[in-house]
Amino acid sequence: NAGVTQTPKFRVLKTGQSMTLLCAQDMNHEYMYWYRQDPGMGLRLIHYSVGEGTTAKGEVPDGYNVSRLKKQNFLLGLESAAPSQTSVYFCASTGNRGADYSNQPQHFGDGTRLSIL
Amino acid sequence: GENVEQHPSTLSVQEGDSAVIKCTYSDSASNYFPWYKQELGKRPQLIIDIRSNVGEKKDQRIAVTLNKTAKHFSLHITETQPEDSAVYFCAASRENYGQNFVFGPGTRLSVLP
Repeated sequence: NAGVTQTPKFRVLKTGQSMTLLCAQDMNHEYMYWYRQDPGMGLRLIHYSVGEGTTAKGEVPDGYNVSRLKKQNFLLGLESAAPSQTSVYFCASTGNRGADYSNQPQHFGDGTRLSIL
Repeated sequence: GENVEQHPSTLSVQEGDSAVIKCTYSDSASNYFPWYKQELGKRPQLIIDIRSNVGEKKDQRIAVTLNKTAKHFSLHITETQPEDSAVYFCAASRENYGQNFVFGPGTRLSVLP
């Protein structure tokens, strides 16, 4: 049981390049989230998903797109990377329909360190 | 929307002393309050949580208290050890088209030997 797996772990991009970050969970969770964490700051929600085929905007969605084509995967895309998107990106998941899936803690991946030059 | 404040932003204690971190929230509909510990370069990890139908919860040296009327909850760590040094985040959550979490800005705890 791997939990939440993020790939890649590190990436350096040039301004204007595009890339996709992958998040995979094997806990049959309904809800998945993408956060960014900047130095000395907390976690800010970019986008989230409440189930396969659904996505919604969070606090800081501009410049990012997401897709959840399969329940276990949540993809975060940067179409045209900007230096302001240099950050550590965390994926999280929660909510197992096998039980009372509300009010359960989030499980986080190890993060992706993204630098944009 | 929900707003979570967290104090203090930094906290230094001597090994063996207690540490207290306080969070306040704005949305009275929030009903689940987890605390996460994040060591340098690592993922946030859940250390304790509390639901709105409970006033206090304890797990060994860690406890959380919740005051729904005042809309604040606190993390208490007793007999602190150097390995408790980390950044601690509180969060408030409610069901609203999925389970939405809002995090506090974090508290950097340093336990001095």
